[in-house]
Amino acid sequence: EIVLTQSPATLSLSPGERATLSCRASQTVDIYLAWYQQKPGQAPRLLVYDASNRATGIPARFSGSGSGTAFTLTISSLEPEDFAVYFCQQRTNWPLTFGGGTKVEI
Amino acid sequence: EVQLLESGGGLVHPGGSLRLSCAASGFTSIRYAMSWVRQAPGKGLEWVSTISTGDDTTYHAESVKGRFTISRDKIENALYLHMNSLIADDTAVYYCARSRSGSCLTCAFDIWGQGTMVTVS
Repeated sequence: EIVLTQSPATLSLSPGERATLSCRASQTVDIYLAWYQQKPGQAPRLLVYDASNRATGIPARFSGSGSGTAFTLTISSLEPEDFAVYFCQQRTNWPLTFGGGTKVEI
Repeated sequence: EVQLLESGGGLVHPGGSLRLSCAASGFTSIRYAMSWVRQAPGKGLEWVSTISTGDDTTYHAESVKGRFTISRDKIENALYLHMNSLIADDTAVYYCARSRSGSCLTCAFDIWGQGTMVTVS
């Protein structure tokens, strides 16, 4: 099973600041990594798929990068609605696995 | 509008059974690989099961293999999760989710339902 480790667990930032979230895989996942945003009481929302492709309707301030075992989700300038929990997920091998999440808080 | 709507959750005793349903609207679900993902209270996301297009091949996490079965109904445009021999660790919100790219089994999940809560106690 591929283990995904996200860091930091919590990121405390202010609106307008840049957020950099990390996801590391226990073995290579090539580019097959996605990022999701989840707000309290809501379902996850797909932000980025296959490392760097923004999903439909996702603002340009969200960008993904990386390959192999190291990936980054960057939010260039935090908007109030961006404070949430972010999960990464790999699709290279079964079982599909998720990281433990990074909470971006004000 | 493309939507998924889960139902069927509730409180069940250990060892009991439950069937979750997921009604798809705005798209034809048999043209997509579909999955169930769960989230225990205050915890992260855990993939549970996936069903393919075409021959409906199924995939299950080891933690539920032999106890849970994913299936779909083409006429009802619905997805199901049949859960047997439930244990406390199965307590979670269960989401159904659509593969971003049709028959792609493992593509990212682009559409999620609102979730249905299952409590085993």
